[in-house]
Amino acid sequence: DAKTTQPPSMDCAEGRAANLPCNHSTISGNEYVYWYRQIHSQGPQYIIHGLKNNETNEMASLIITEDRKSSTLILPHATLRDTAVYYCIGTSYDKVIFGPGTSLSVIP
Amino acid sequence: DSGVTQTPKHLITATGQRVTLRCSPRSGDLSVYWYQQSLDQGLQFLIQYYNGEERAKGNILERFSAQQFPDLHSELNLSSLELGDSALYFCASSVDLDTQYFGPGTRLTVL
Repeated sequence: DAKTTQPPSMDCAEGRAANLPCNHSTISGNEYVYWYRQIHSQGPQYIIHGLKNNETNEMASLIITEDRKSSTLILPHATLRDTAVYYCIGTSYDKVIFGPGTSLSVIP
Repeated sequence: DSGVTQTPKHLITATGQRVTLRCSPRSGDLSVYWYQQSLDQGLQFLIQYYNGEERAKGNILERFSAQQFPDLHSELNLSSLELGDSALYFCASSVDLDTQYFGPGTRLTVL
C-alpha cells in the first residue's frame, strides 16, 4: 500500500476553493487514490477516487499528476460544513491505511 | 446515511469484561472492514472479511476477534478489556473491495 503525506492542517475562507494536496510518491501502478473525510467523530465519508485521470463529482474534483506521485482534492466553494479531517489514501483492493489526514477549517 | 448500521451506539463497561460490536453492511456489499479510532488518533485498520472469509489483517490484538456470518453481518469481539481499548470502533462495507462506506461507529468506554 502506498504511504501518503498530507499537511496536518489548512484554513480556507468560506466560499473560496479549498485545495488539499497529497503526496503519494510510492503508489504503484494499480493503486487508486481515494479521498475520504471525517466530520468530528462521525464515520468517514467517501468523497472521490481516481487512478490516472482527473475526476469530478458533485462533491469535489481530483487532480492527479501525470507521474501519479501527488494529487490535489479541490472543494470548489467551501462551506462551513466542509470543516473536517480529509484523508488521502492509496489502496490496492483490500487493506486501507489511513494516515493522520489534513484538518481543514473553513473560516466565515 | 451510508446504509451501514452499527450497534450499539454507545457501550460502557469495566476492565476485564468482554463485549461484542455488531455491523450490518449495505445491501449487496460482500466485504466488511473494522477500524479502531482512539481519542484524537487516526483510523487504525483492524481486519477485513469478504463473503465470510478473513481477507486482510491489520493491527488487531489477540484479545480481539471478528467474524462475518452467512447473512454478511459481522461482529467484533473484544475481550479482557483494558482502559486503552476505549475508542470509537467503525465498520465499513464495500461491494468491490474498493470504495468503503462507513457506519456511524460504536463508542466504547472502558472504566
